[in-house]
Amino acid sequence: QQQVKQSPQSLIVQKGGISIINCAYENTAFDYFPWYQQFPGKGPALLIAIRPDVSEKKEGRFTISFNKSAKQFSLHIMDSQPGDSATYFCAAIRAGATNKLIFGTGTLLAVQP
Amino acid sequence: KAGVTQTPRYLIKTRGQQVTLSCSPISGHRSVSWYQQTPGQGLQFLFEYFSETQRNKGNFPGRFSGRQFSNSRSEMNVSTLELGDSALYLCASSLIAGEDTQYFGPGTRLTVL
Repeated sequence: QQQVKQSPQSLIVQKGGISIINCAYENTAFDYFPWYQQFPGKGPALLIAIRPDVSEKKEGRFTISFNKSAKQFSLHIMDSQPGDSATYFCAAIRAGATNKLIFGTGTLLAVQP
Repeated sequence: KAGVTQTPRYLIKTRGQQVTLSCSPISGHRSVSWYQQTPGQGLQFLFEYFSETQRNKGNFPGRFSGRQFSNSRSEMNVSTLELGDSALYLCASSLIAGEDTQYFGPGTRLTVL
């Protein structure tokens, strides 16, 4: 019940295209869903996050779509750029109860010029 | 404001040795969490501390331990190192326990030979 499943494992997108990464969770107690971006040699950096009381959140080229009934959420990167090439992790947490983030397995995104 | 700092950045040890890793949270942050990142297991939660108290512990053997000091700095210790302990060890800080926004440091890359 603590798992967060993430797909695809890797993704190749052309510059200007849309990158889509999907995650699914089981534990309905999760109430905060962040996405992290990690470049080689760096720690994960918070990209965007959503709570289950909204179905979509947009920040610049990054959008999270959230489907509470299906227990799924996804990250959309519009107008993907080579600089977006990184590993993306979805995560889930029971905010307020703990700082324990449950991470997905990661998606290695390569944006080709 | 300075980010989360971790020292050392790289470490090479041999099997059976012990190691201590250090984390300084963002100024004013009182909560620190530790994660292990490996290619095979991904990002896994080790433990979290708030006000010098361990609030939560992940599913790791007792060889992994940690502590937090009164200035919120934290250390983690791994005793009797095994080859499988080779990983990137990440520290994350947040203002308070249960705070949803956590900020990660660059990590300590531990190699066990």
